[in-house]
This record gives sequence, C-alpha cells and structure tokens, in this order.
Amino acid sequence: DAGVIQSPRHEVTEMGQEVTLRCKPISGHDYLFWYRQTMMRGLELLIYFNNNVPIDDSGMPEDRFSAKMPNASFSTLKIQPSEPRDSAVYFCASSRTFSNSPLHFGNGTRLTVT
Amino acid sequence: QQQVKQSPQSLIVQKGGISIINCAYENTAFDYFPWYQQFPGKGPALLIAIRPDVSEKKEGRFTISFNKSAKQFSLHIMDSQPGDSATYFCAASGNAGNMLTFGGGTRLMVKP
Repeated sequence: DAGVIQSPRHEVTEMGQEVTLRCKPISGHDYLFWYRQTMMRGLELLIYFNNNVPIDDSGMPEDRFSAKMPNASFSTLKIQPSEPRDSAVYFCASSRTFSNSPLHFGNGTRLTVT
Repeated sequence: QQQVKQSPQSLIVQKGGISIINCAYENTAFDYFPWYQQFPGKGPALLIAIRPDVSEKKEGRFTISFNKSAKQFSLHIMDSQPGDSATYFCAASGNAGNMLTFGGGTRLMVKP
C-alpha cells in the first residue's frame, strides 16, 4: 500500500491567491481527516469526512477554507484567498473506521504564503 | 475543555537511557490515548495507544503508563537509541475515535 498521498509537498504562493491541497487516502479507508500543524498551535483537526460526506468542520478556521471529497479516493482543501497566517504544514490522514483503527497520516503539504 | 498538555518540550537523553514524556488532559470523556512519532519531513505515525481500562501497555521498548484519577499518561522509551530521535505527540479523544486532540509535542534527541 502506498499510504496516504498528498500533493504538492511544498507550495509557495502570494497573499490573496487561491491554494488547493490534494489528498489520496488509503484504499478502503472510510474516514478522511485534514489536520494543520503550526509552531504556535501544534496539530489541529480542521475537518473530517465519512464515506465522502463532511461530518465535523468545526475546526475550519474561517470561510476562506473549504474542503471537498468528490469520491472515495480524492479530497481537496482549498484556501481562497490565502493569507500569510495560513502558512503551515497541512496533513491529510485516513482510517478504516472512526475508532479502533489506526490513523495513517500523509507526509503533508508545507504551505508558505508571502 | 479539550486541551492536552505535554511536557517537556524538548528532551536530550544518552543512548541506552530512559526517555520519559508526560501528558495531562482535562476532558473526562476522553477514552483513547495514542502516542505518535514524527520524523522531519514526515507525517506523524502511530506508535502505541492505550484505553483507560488498563494502567499500562508495553510494546517492545515503548511503554504507556496511565493514571485515570490524575488524568495523566506518559510514554517511556527504554534503552533509547539515536534512531528514536524524533518529535513525539500525545493525543486524546472520546469514543476511542480518530478526532484527536494533540499535545504540543516533545522533541527528543538521543545522543550516541
């Protein structure tokens, strides 16, 4: 299994631009999570999906952030417009079930907004 | 309150020594306590996890100790090796689920 695949690995953009982060979960995993990691706030859950349906988006910081999962093998996290404070490492993770099942993380996308 | 507090922020241990990282939580509804290991440029990887029905769980050189009354849990790495140098995160959740609240992380360096 290739694990959770995220792209791009690095993204540098200017303030005000739209940014799209992509994730391919492990096949057969019904749950997909987006986390954000910063020095100040550590690892924070942004949103999670079950069977492609968003279940809890209470961690999404503001309306500039949106996430979609059009099918079981693909999810996107979009920031529009981006701001310097959005600079962080964004992780996608997946698990077979919500509980009693390990959470597998991708290697993240390092976003820098100048 | 969903917070999980982790200490120390950084730790230096000699090869062969014991590394100890501590976490405390506030939400009594938490019932799943995993530890994750993260190497630079990689995502966190599950190391070991415990449920509150046991006070200790051991897997190889890694042991979790859990104190339900004190709402604290800790990771012990026995015979620490340079390859263990990484950042370690404790986490907690309710319903034993993967909606995890993470601690702030501990950067461990094991000196040869």
